[in-house]
This record gives sequence, structure tokens and C-alpha cells, in this order.
Amino acid sequence: GDSVTQMEGPVTLSEEAFLTINCTYTATGYPSLFWYVQYPGEGLQLLLKATKADDKGSNKGFEATYRKETTSFHLEKGSVQVSDSAVYFCALSRGANSKLTFGKGITLSVRP
Amino acid sequence: NAGVTQTPKFQVLKTGQSMTLQCAQDMNHEYMSWYRQDPGMGLRLIHYSVGAGITDQGEVPNGYNVSRSTTEDFPLRLLSAAPSQTSVYFCASSPGYRGESSTDTQYFGPGTRLTVL
Repeated sequence: GDSVTQMEGPVTLSEEAFLTINCTYTATGYPSLFWYVQYPGEGLQLLLKATKADDKGSNKGFEATYRKETTSFHLEKGSVQVSDSAVYFCALSRGANSKLTFGKGITLSVRP
Repeated sequence: NAGVTQTPKFQVLKTGQSMTLQCAQDMNHEYMSWYRQDPGMGLRLIHYSVGAGITDQGEVPNGYNVSRSTTEDFPLRLLSAAPSQTSVYFCASSPGYRGESSTDTQYFGPGTRLTVL
């Protein structure tokens, strides 16, 4: 079945550092790929998505590229801020009316 | 739009008690689902619905019941609470195939933190 694997956490960075969070998936065909973010005490918010190979999703300075050849969707940001401290989830879906399959999530803490 | 709303925000139950977690959306979304979030396990699907009158089981349905009598509401019932059901519960919705285009983006509620003693 489908699965999503995220790098182990937590991750602690200093403000303005470069961020990479690895995500790989196992699925047949061409699922849609997502990054969701959960700020402390809140629900999940969509951060970005990509629906086909080589698509790049971007939002709030974050980027991720759908790499079919490596089955990856790594999240990057050039300069993190304290306000980026949150839990980040990678997920995949097989389309409308389909469930999301989530990775375990990774906690990011950014120090001033 | 209020989006996806959930009540209550927090709840403490004793083992064996029953309760209903409420979820509502005002976006006319076709697809609704319930997830539970446990430390180190991400989110796991409990039940889902692709429209009023249609529900189906997800990965971890045991001990939970759902119904979908209207497009807007999708309550989750705990039949006889157990400590293993201590978790944070999220309701989500997405447009599905309704409207001019389909989308698989899901919108989440703020969650209900449930503790079973």
C-alpha cells in the first residue's frame, strides 16, 4: 500500500538558517503530494502541494519539487524564522475523494 | 466562511462512557473525514464520507461510529471509550468532485483533544 517516510526529528535551527526536510513516498502511479504544517495548538494547514512530476509547490518561502525518479518531495526554505516553528507533515493522495496518507511528522524549532 | 469547525475543543471521559465529537463545514464540500493524531504516528484515518448518506471505514475504525445525514455535518461517536482512544481528533473536508473542478486538497478543523481515564 501507499506510504510516506519523513526524516527523523526533531530539528532545531538558528534563525536565517537553511532548512531541508526529507520526504519520500511509496505509491504506484502519480499521487498528489502535500506538505501540511501544524502550529502549536492548532489544526493542520496546507503549506504547498504538487500534482504531477516535476511540479514545484511554493508558499511562504517554502518550496518542494515532485521528483518521480527518486519518489521524493523534500521541503526547503532558504532562511527560516522563529515563526516557522511547527510540526511539518508530508502526505500523499490519490485524488479527489481519496484519503491522505501521512508521514509521521517532524517538529521544527527555530531559535532567535 | 467559518471553514471546518469542531466541538468540543477538550474532553475528558471515563472508561466506558460514550460521546459524540461534532464536525461541521460550511463550504459545501463533498468529502469529509476523521483522523486521529498520536505522537510519532502521524495522522491515521478513522472514517470518511464521500457524500450525504455514504460512509466507509478507514485504517483504524474500531470503537468509532459515524453518520452523514447532511452535507454539512459529520459527527464521530465513541461507543464505549477506552484509554487507547486518548488522542487528538481532526475532522477534514475537501470539495471532491463537486463543482467545476475536483480537488484533493483537504481542509482541517482545529481538533478535539480527548483524554480517557
